[in-house]
Amino acid sequence: QVQLVESGGGLVKPGGSLRLSCAASGFTLNDYYMNWIRQAPGKGLECVSYISSSGSARYYADSVKGRFTISRDNTKNSVFLQMNSLRAEDTAVYYCARDRGSKLGMGPWFDSWGQGTLVTVSS
Amino acid sequence: SYELTQPPSVSVSPGQTASITCSGNKLGDKYASWYQQKPGQSPVLVIYQDNKRPSGIPERFSGSNSGNTATLTISGTQAMDEAEYYCQAWDSSTTWVVFGGGTKLTVL
Repeated sequence: QVQLVESGGGLVKPGGSLRLSCAASGFTLNDYYMNWIRQAPGKGLECVSYISSSGSARYYADSVKGRFTISRDNTKNSVFLQMNSLRAEDTAVYYCARDRGSKLGMGPWFDSWGQGTLVTVSS
Repeated sequence: SYELTQPPSVSVSPGQTASITCSGNKLGDKYASWYQQKPGQSPVLVIYQDNKRPSGIPERFSGSNSGNTATLTISGTQAMDEAEYYCQAWDSSTTWVVFGGGTKLTVL
């Protein structure tokens, strides 16, 4: 069955870096756009970044542009989020989510989500 | 930037119909999706492309989208439906995903 498993979260000081990983199984990764969506404590959902199925197109929220980099390795069924220059406001649970609709040209909807990995930025 | 507005909370009695709205400029021209999130859990897709249900989602969940408002309707609401619900759309002008702020559904 479809499974997404995030890893790499943890406690980091302001200005530090983390690399999140999302291991995908149960489906062919290169058939899907993939997203990182975060949720700050007690807050709503916010799309942070997404990447096209081939990896040729990458998009970022203004709040993370220039600091975060999304990538994927379809041969290893993995998606990554490199996070640099972390700030307190980046503290959140980060979810990896599969986008079912974009490659079909219908705009995104997220039909599978990982369990999330918590990133805490604090001194 | 494009915004989606949801009421912070909705209450419903068991067995009754709950309606959760999501408002945005010309939202009816876009596809709307809905996600259910229970405390401590990941979001789950319950409606996509305005009114389609993924496999495994009960028939009591339905959706509509017209004008400036998308609506998630839960018929015969059960206690297990108590959760936070988020709407989501795609802003093609900015090529960005937009989520509503979420609605806490209370079944009492």
